[in-house]
Amino acid sequence: AQTVTQSQPEMSVQEAETVTLSCTYDTSESDYYLFWYKQPPSRQMILVIRQEAYKQQNATENRFSVNFQKAAKSFSLKISDSQLGDAAMYFCAYRSFEETSGSRLTFGEGTQLTVNP
Amino acid sequence: KAGVTQTPRYLIKTRGQQVTLSCSPISGHRSVSWYQQTPGQGLQFLFEYFSETQRNKGNFPGRFSGRQFSNSRSEMNVSTLELGDSALYLCASSLWTGNNEKLFFGSGTQLSVL
Repeated sequence: AQTVTQSQPEMSVQEAETVTLSCTYDTSESDYYLFWYKQPPSRQMILVIRQEAYKQQNATENRFSVNFQKAAKSFSLKISDSQLGDAAMYFCAYRSFEETSGSRLTFGEGTQLTVNP
Repeated sequence: KAGVTQTPRYLIKTRGQQVTLSCSPISGHRSVSWYQQTPGQGLQFLFEYFSETQRNKGNFPGRFSGRQFSNSRSEMNVSTLELGDSALYLCASSLWTGNNEKLFFGSGTQLSVL
């Protein structure tokens, strides 16, 4: 079974600064997907960024980028130019490449990000 | 286009009762997944339905069940409620089932069991 670990329960950053959230995972599969989701107080999970394990290039979405280290099974999220609206709980998630797994996600424990003005 | 709609938003029940939660996916989506979110256990997968068939099931007791209708709307049922069932229940939908599909989440149903 796959596991996802987020070792930082809480992080804080000053507005306009950069912050990195950590995530490690364990799997015996060679192909899979990794995600970062954001959950604001509205509770709705919002996809921030997605990485396919077979792609060596790190994914980027505007101010959000990842550092994907497949051998180390590490998948960190970097938020540049932090904004007040970035404050939320961030979850790292894993999805198997196996067809039988369907859309099932395995989530980490989450990191609560505070953005200070 | 309307997003994923979950009803009700909040629910209070007592131990031993049963509860039914509803999820209406985005129009055209055929896959619906359910997750339980608690402070202690985090986010855990309950089950996934695709075209009215359960495709996947998480490690939950048989008190947790679900179904999907022909219009893709889904319901989950919890019987004989326990205090530990208090949680936020999230529903997610996608066009198809499988690894390359983007999931869209609803805002959840907050269930409190007293």
